[in-house]
Amino acid sequence: GAVVSQHPSRVICKSGTSVKIECRSLDFQATTMFWYRQFPKQSLMLMATSNEGSKATYEQGVEKDKFLINHASLTLSTLTVTSAHPEDSSFYICSVTTGPLDGYTFGSGTRLTVV
Amino acid sequence: AQSVTQPDIHITVSEGASLELRCNYSYGATPYLFWYVQSPGQGLQLLLKYFSGDTLVQGIKGFEAEFKRSQSSFNLRKPSVHWSDAAEYFCAVGGNTGFQKLVFGTGTRLLVSP
Repeated sequence: GAVVSQHPSRVICKSGTSVKIECRSLDFQATTMFWYRQFPKQSLMLMATSNEGSKATYEQGVEKDKFLINHASLTLSTLTVTSAHPEDSSFYICSVTTGPLDGYTFGSGTRLTVV
Repeated sequence: AQSVTQPDIHITVSEGASLELRCNYSYGATPYLFWYVQSPGQGLQLLLKYFSGDTLVQGIKGFEAEFKRSQSSFNLRKPSVHWSDAAEYFCAVGGNTGFQKLVFGTGTRLLVSP
């Protein structure tokens, strides 16, 4: 599988500010990346599928204008949480798949705390 | 729509004892099935995956899983649990037609008692 780097691992921001999370595929040119959100002691919920060079595909109920996804290159996808509020506090994880038979590799996650 | 059910929220096993974590899936076609493990505050590590072929799949850290189509199950097993196996375990299902999303179960937290 791919090697995935996610940054930052932790971030604390003030309510109303924006935060950018980066997901890098270090050894694979990823046309598709996935962004998940995980609340404490809960499962991972897919937020959106990030497609290189085109618009992301958001899951139902996910606000496109709040969670901006940019996949401008084959090795980098970013998730920007805009005008963050305390309810956006969560663990965000990205994932890369190198093909239908290879499975999915996950980043180490970003713990976002909005105060 | 695809879905995954992990009926056990918590399981406690004595160190050295055997382990079985249950997973049932719903998927309209041939599923790709995965088991991941997550330590607190960390990302997910792939334990094993099933695409086709032999229904008994071997993974890392001594884990194995058996795909049973008739029961729509993909249970994870380990013959002898170590204290370091304590973590959250997630079963997931994905499509077999390309770069499709994974749908996760709710997870099972494994506690290992001395």
